[in-house]
Amino acid sequence: GENVEQHPSTLSVQEGDSAVIKCTYSDSASNYFPWYKQELGKRPQLIIDIRSNVGEKKDQRIAVTLNKTAKHFSLHITETQPEDSAVYFCAASILGTDKLIFGTGTRLQVFP
Amino acid sequence: EAQVTQNPRYLITVTGKKLTVTCSQNMNHEYMSWYRQDPGLGLRQIYYSMNVEVTDKGDVPEGYKVSRKEKRNFPLILESPSPNQTSLYFCASSPGTGFSFSNQPQHFGDGTRLSIL
Repeated sequence: GENVEQHPSTLSVQEGDSAVIKCTYSDSASNYFPWYKQELGKRPQLIIDIRSNVGEKKDQRIAVTLNKTAKHFSLHITETQPEDSAVYFCAASILGTDKLIFGTGTRLQVFP
Repeated sequence: EAQVTQNPRYLITVTGKKLTVTCSQNMNHEYMSWYRQDPGLGLRQIYYSMNVEVTDKGDVPEGYKVSRKEKRNFPLILESPSPNQTSLYFCASSPGTGFSFSNQPQHFGDGTRLSIL
């Protein structure tokens, strides 16, 4: 079945620096790749998503890139701020199924 | 306000005592799903439902049951809870339009923290 690996598990950056989180997936039929942010004690919330017919998507300081050949996708956060501190989860959905497989999460800490 | 509501938010119970965690959404979403979150393991899908009376197993369905008798409700049932089911549980819903129901943004509830002694 589909497997999603996420790295790193923890990431510490200085405020203003960039942060990159990477995920790889195993099933080439995967076609939808969302990213969720979970603040401490809160629910996961979608921050950006990308579909397999697009290579890159950007929303202000957040961007996601997708490399279908290598089967990996990445979250890029620029000009990080303390409020970006949270756990980030990537996920993959396989075309023709109704399952959503999540990565194991990355704890991002942004130090002032 | 559009939301997914889970109850209870916290529950401490004992092994073998049947329990139900309710989930309700007011967005008329087709797709609903249950996840458990454990440290180091991320979110793992337990069961999902594409519509009323249509459910299927996720990656970790053992020990759980679900039902979808109404579109808005998707309860999670633990018939005989065991300590390894101690976890944080999330219900989620999405519009479910398109060929694959899971390829839409999911709206999560606030979570239910279950402790089974």
